[in-house]
Amino acid sequence: SQKIEQNSEALNIQEGKTATLTCNYTNYSPAYLQWYRQDPGRGPVFLLLIRENEKEKRKERLKVTFDTTLKQSLFHITASQPADSATYLCALDGYGQNFVFGPGTRLSVLP
Amino acid sequence: EPEVTQTPSHQVTQMGQEVILRCVPISNHLYFYWYRQILGQKVEFLVSFYNNEISEKSEIFDDQFSVERPDGSNFTLKIRSTKLEDSAMYFCASSAGGKTDTQYFGPGTRLTVL
Repeated sequence: SQKIEQNSEALNIQEGKTATLTCNYTNYSPAYLQWYRQDPGRGPVFLLLIRENEKEKRKERLKVTFDTTLKQSLFHITASQPADSATYLCALDGYGQNFVFGPGTRLSVLP
Repeated sequence: EPEVTQTPSHQVTQMGQEVILRCVPISNHLYFYWYRQILGQKVEFLVSFYNNEISEKSEIFDDQFSVERPDGSNFTLKIRSTKLEDSAMYFCASSAGGKTDTQYFGPGTRLTVL
């Protein structure tokens, strides 16, 4: 069955450092992968989308990589700030396959 | 900035009752979605809707569920004969294009089935 894993339930880093979150998947052939941010009690907020034929995408302090051979995406937040503290979700979609979210990684950026 | 709205914010119902969750998508969007998130678990896709019909649905979206766009602005999720395990946060989302376009999520409706 399809499985999406995100590196850890929780990740603590110091302000100013780069946070790196991992999304791994099995039994899935994604056409694209998305990253979302979710704050407690709120709906997910779209951050970035990367397609299967793209290796890297950037948006301001965010960078996403996508390796379909390793079946992995890395999500980086550079110069992290306490306001970046949230749960980050990866989500996959593919042809003839359901849209699937990962379980999320709760990031805490410590001042 | 336009946003997706959902009502009510919290719905409490008795097991076996029917509930209707309401969403007002962003006005020029054409694609609509429902997701649910059981407390402490991941967000799960339920259904997508385009051109007045269901375009995709997950295994969760069984005969107990239905969706409707009764007028030009509302998008509803009906759950017939609710079960305890239907207790969750239900999110509506909309996008201008298909799923590769940015989906904008509403604030959610917390459904509690007693």
